[in-house]
Amino acid sequence: QVQLQQSGPGLVKPSQTLSLTCAISGDSVSSNSAAWNWIRQSPSRGLEWLGRTYYRSKWYNDYAVSVKSRISINPDTSKNQFSLQLNSVTPEDTAVYYCARSRTDLDLWGPGTMVTVSS
Amino acid sequence: QPVLTQSSSASASLGSSVRLTCTLSSGHSSYIILWHQQQPGKAPRYLMKVDGSGRYNKGSGVPDRFSGSSSGADRYLTISNLQSEDEADYYCETWDSNTFWVFGGGTKLTVL
Repeated sequence: QVQLQQSGPGLVKPSQTLSLTCAISGDSVSSNSAAWNWIRQSPSRGLEWLGRTYYRSKWYNDYAVSVKSRISINPDTSKNQFSLQLNSVTPEDTAVYYCARSRTDLDLWGPGTMVTVSS
Repeated sequence: QPVLTQSSSASASLGSSVRLTCTLSSGHSSYIILWHQQQPGKAPRYLMKVDGSGRYNKGSGVPDRFSGSSSGADRYLTISNLQSEDEADYYCETWDSNTFWVFGGGTKLTVL
């Protein structure tokens, strides 16, 4: 059974970097048939896809235009996990952050991490 | 880019059926959509995908009470024999090569 487990701080100060990790069990971050995504959810913005990383003989990334200048998603093959870094955060980045797997469908979600941006 | 429109709320009685609608924007009526369920305080859960022909393919463990269908730009999620645990937010989603994963605003289902 594939599971995703998230970790990372729940409070980040404005202008600093939000960092979260998603550990994968039962699948591989290097899978040739999966992509590994970050999605966030807030009352004001609803569900918003942020980006993904995936391996197809080499590593690729795609990012949402809204965060493209501030985001980085990286795989860690040694730990079978992937991470999210979002730079220069503001209170508008306050949200529940989810990692998720997609194959042909976005078919598996992590439990979510509530991140508050506040001084 | 595709836009998905959902009613903000719906309600139905315990044991009855309800059909939720997700409408694709003009020019995107052939798109496949996914349905996700988000129970209060939980992460979303993948339910199924529905294509423009009305074919649907459910995720693992999704009860038989859940089914999908379509008509034109509308994609439907029907829940029969409503149970209390079906009270949740339901989101549709689609994929586009330019915008990647796009979500609807969600429908809050109340089971009376």
